[in-house]
Amino acid sequence: DGGITQSPKYLFRKEGQNVTLSCEQNLNHDAMYWYRQDPGQGLRLIYYSQIVNDFQKGDIAEGYSVSREKKESFPLTVTSAQKNPTAFYLCASSIDYGTGDTEAFFGQGTRLTVV
Amino acid sequence: AQKVTQAQTEISVVEKEDVTLDCVYETRDTTYYLFWYKQPPSGELVFLIRRNSFDEQNEISGRYSWNFQKSTSSFNFTITASQVVDSAVYFCALSEGEFSGGYNKLIFGAGTRLAVHP
Repeated sequence: DGGITQSPKYLFRKEGQNVTLSCEQNLNHDAMYWYRQDPGQGLRLIYYSQIVNDFQKGDIAEGYSVSREKKESFPLTVTSAQKNPTAFYLCASSIDYGTGDTEAFFGQGTRLTVV
Repeated sequence: AQKVTQAQTEISVVEKEDVTLDCVYETRDTTYYLFWYKQPPSGELVFLIRRNSFDEQNEISGRYSWNFQKSTSSFNFTITASQVVDSAVYFCALSEGEFSGGYNKLIFGAGTRLAVHP
């Protein structure tokens, strides 16, 4: 089955610690994304990557870092510099149908809680 | 600037009622794409529909229908004869149409939480 796998589903972190969220896709999509969702809010873009070894900051990149060493993988590290990391994190990948028409597929999310 | 507004934070209906979720967008582009996603309690986003700015035909898929009106910058979603399984958060989203090598930033609304009661 093709899809996007995020792990773990729930993650607890102590203040001051870095933590890495995993995202793997076997859809052969070039583009991948990380979004953050807070209660009562829509999704906000953290980072995105259009191709291997390249990534760009989204709207709320401060306190986060990513890597894209393989097409299938786009891990997100939440660093101690992120002041309010408790949130639901969604990974996505997308296919472009040409002329800008695109469709994004989402993983099941990781719920991060700082304790 | 692009923006998506879903003014209804929460809607509560009784099963079999029809319900319309509103979505108003802002963009300066002439080519853009609009989306609706469903987020059930499990958390993942389920794709429902994609519509480009040149196609204003309404679309119907089973109990779901979408009304796209460029004149009012709206892309409303109607569920006919709602069911308990329709309970979820629904997001409207916008992306610009400029081709950029496979990447298109999605701008999401805040979402509407729909509760369908038996």
